[in-house]
Amino acid sequence: DQQVKQNSPSLSVQEGRISILNCDYTNSMFDYFLWYKKYPAEGPTFLISISSIKDKNEDGRFTVFLNKSAKHLSLHIVPSQPGDSAVYFCAALDTPLVFGKGTRLSVIA
Amino acid sequence: DAGVIQSPRHEVTEMGQEVTLRCKPISGHDYLFWYRQTMMRGLELLIYFNNNVPIDDSGMPEDRFSAKMPNASFSTLKIQPSEPRDSAVYFCASRVLGLGRNTEAFFGQGTRLTVV
Repeated sequence: DQQVKQNSPSLSVQEGRISILNCDYTNSMFDYFLWYKKYPAEGPTFLISISSIKDKNEDGRFTVFLNKSAKHLSLHIVPSQPGDSAVYFCAALDTPLVFGKGTRLSVIA
Repeated sequence: DAGVIQSPRHEVTEMGQEVTLRCKPISGHDYLFWYRQTMMRGLELLIYFNNNVPIDDSGMPEDRFSAKMPNASFSTLKIQPSEPRDSAVYFCASRVLGLGRNTEAFFGQGTRLTVV
């Protein structure tokens, strides 16, 4: 059974608008979460993380929100740019990292 | 540091052949992970090592898959014999577990394996 779930395989957003990518997890012991971004023909690269002691972490255009009671986190990208088009993976920090299946974001100019 | 280095970047082989994928982790990292990316399963963990010792290989799909880490700077993932359903992108990642620190894993660029 998947412990980290990304239920939207794909998302299309217009340039300049907000992109919201969602992630749910089942294990309440997870206390640190990460988002990775993956371009075609490249490995995933770390984007942003959040600890369970926080409910929000912001880095430029990227903000991650954590709702522990709902076991849900989301990544907001504002404003979205065409270069943000990639696959985004949500991961829970365990050893090893536990990944969701990813959401393909397409930002349309 | 050059990051995690994987070779080859692309591998095309015939069914039944042996395939060996290679990985050089970031120097000083004490964890090494092998992941496989497919459309159906996303990023699935195959095996991981801590200080060169295999810790969990429950993700290795079959006995045809094996992995080794003879030293801190090198790991291999071998498939023998290979089958078409093994076609996927294989990623190696490494990580250092600092005291009380949460750290991300760093990925290589992957090996795209095609078994025909």
